[in-house]
Amino acid sequence: NAGVTQTPKFQVLKTGQSMTLQCAQDMNHEYMSWYRQDPGMGLRLIHYSVGAGITDQGEVPNGYNVSRSTTEDFPLRLLSAAPSQTSVYFCASSDPAGGNTEAFFGQGTRLTVV
Amino acid sequence: EDQVTQSPEALRLQEGESSSLNCSYTVSGLRGLFWYRQDPGKGPEFLFTLYSAGEEKEKERLKATLTKKESFLHITAPKPEDSATYLCAVRYYGNNRLAFGKGNQVVVIP
Repeated sequence: NAGVTQTPKFQVLKTGQSMTLQCAQDMNHEYMSWYRQDPGMGLRLIHYSVGAGITDQGEVPNGYNVSRSTTEDFPLRLLSAAPSQTSVYFCASSDPAGGNTEAFFGQGTRLTVV
Repeated sequence: EDQVTQSPEALRLQEGESSSLNCSYTVSGLRGLFWYRQDPGKGPEFLFTLYSAGEEKEKERLKATLTKKESFLHITAPKPEDSATYLCAVRYYGNNRLAFGKGNQVVVIP
């Protein structure tokens, strides 16, 4: 029972490099989202998707892109990494998109930008 | 202005010393309030959902309650394995987003 799977678990990038954080869920959830967690800041929403082909911005979207071509996958792209993007990133899913159920989280990706 | 405020930020308890964590929210039109537990290096793990004032949920030593403006997570006779950060999140009518508080870091000393 995999739930929400994030890869990689750890990543170090140099400033200006690009990378994609992967997120996959096997629960057929419509709603998926990306958060970043920084000390003293709590979880902040970056981008979210209410279904395949539909994405929207959260509260801190700058510097990040997303796409949703399938129900299962919701990758997060950093086009040109900056030290300010050093953080722990969590992907979450819930179902249905218009419902009121709990979100399930992945184990996180710890990203360091040097 | 933060939509969700949790207090205290950090709490040290002796094993068996009961206490309560607070989560207050400022926006009206609450669809649901969620409590999560997060261990170091792990993702948040769901504990409870509360939907209306007066509702209570229990799980082992944890009990969550909800009023019109705040929720409490009561920890009764805590054990060291209850040490974690407890996160509160709210969902409002009009969207499916979860707004999180900054968490309550709890350490239970044997």
